Amino acid sequence: DGGITQSPKYLFRKEGQNVTLSCEQNLNHDAMYWYRQDPGQGLRLIYYSQIVNDFQKGDIAEGYSVSREKKESFPLTVTSAQKNPTAFYLCASSRGEGPQHFGDGTRLSIL
Amino acid sequence: RKEVEQDPGPFNVPEGATVAFNCTYSNSASQSFFWYRQDCRKEPKLLMSVYSSGNEDGRFTAQLNRASQYISLLIRDSKLSDSATYLCVVREGNNDMRFGAGTRLTVKP
Repeated sequence: DGGITQSPKYLFRKEGQNVTLSCEQNLNHDAMYWYRQDPGQGLRLIYYSQIVNDFQKGDIAEGYSVSREKKESFPLTVTSAQKNPTAFYLCASSRGEGPQHFGDGTRLSIL
Repeated sequence: RKEVEQDPGPFNVPEGATVAFNCTYSNSASQSFFWYRQDCRKEPKLLMSVYSSGNEDGRFTAQLNRASQYISLLIRDSKLSDSATYLCVVREGNNDMRFGAGTRLTVKP
């Protein structure tokens, strides 16, 4: 079955620690995205990538970093510079002008 | 002004009711439009794309009005399982997708 896999489902971060969220897709989609959703709020774009080895900042990129070394993979690192990291993180992918397809998300909390 | 605006609701309707959601967008150059459904603590899932001529999928009908820059979603014969948050999504070009904050629907017995 084709799809997007995010891991882990739940993640806890200690103060001063960097953590990495995994996102893998086997849909052969060129574009991949990371969003953050806070309770009762809409999705906000963190980073996106339209092609391997290229990515752009979204609306709230500060405190986050990404890489796109392979078409299938778009990991997100939440750095210690992100002072309010507690949120629901969603990865998505798309092809051309088609709709985005989402993974089932990672919930990040601070210890 | 937000790029994509939706009435946050909540909409509380009885089973069998017809309910309509509207969404307005600010960028007249927007290219593609979608409605997603998001259940509590879950990821958004595509409900339907919205085409210029309007389109229907069972009990769901989507309409696009480019002149007025709004999109609508009509749900007929509401079911308990329709309870969710409905997200309006607009692609502005260059793969830039903009999400509304969502409209919450609760269908009651």
